Amino acid sequence: DAKTTQPPSMDCAEGRAANLPCNHSTISGNEYVYWYRQIHSQGPQYIIHGLKNNETNEMASLIITEDRKSSTLILPHATLRDTAVYYCIVRVADYNNNDMRFGAGTRLTVKP
Amino acid sequence: ETGVTQSPTHLIKTRGQQVTLRCSSQSGHNTVSWYQQALGQGPQFIFQYYREEENGRGNFPPRFSGLQFPNYSSELNVNALELDDSALYLCASRHPSWGYTFGSGTRLTVV
Repeated sequence: DAKTTQPPSMDCAEGRAANLPCNHSTISGNEYVYWYRQIHSQGPQYIIHGLKNNETNEMASLIITEDRKSSTLILPHATLRDTAVYYCIVRVADYNNNDMRFGAGTRLTVKP
Repeated sequence: ETGVTQSPTHLIKTRGQQVTLRCSSQSGHNTVSWYQQALGQGPQFIFQYYREEENGRGNFPPRFSGLQFPNYSSELNVNALELDDSALYLCASRHPSWGYTFGSGTRLTVV
């Protein structure tokens, strides 16, 4: 699986959009971009994933560049409860393969 | 409530002992994975089980072993515990929308 690069930490003001970048310059054509987050003392929580089109769900939006070498997770109106470590992972969407390669992630702190 | 339940939530063991951690996942989720998360790091893949057989393993020694049962529960066993085994152990099962559902983990402390 391809490696990802994320900034170690970011701050965001409450109510503003949080934009979390991820570089995955060696991504393969059949690899998806997944985002998870981990709130302190809990297991990682699935947020969103995509292949090449932009995706949106009730939690966030995922913007993938046209060359697929980078992506941005957008939390449109960050709240204090969005403070967490956010992980960007690229992998093949294998139905029976649960091997997720987590990096160190980005620690997002939402401030009042 | 994620649908994946792990027990116990916390555990303290002595170096050299053996430990068994348990995970109960949702009905129909026939793939389960285990991860080790040291303090300040991302989760590291230990192994996964599909239909009660191990079919993928990360860079962990054989003293880390597991079992998966027909009722969608599973176990992680660690023999000859070392101090570096102190970590949060996470269980995950496949989510219908191609993601994972993780449990809240078991915090293991080896003294």
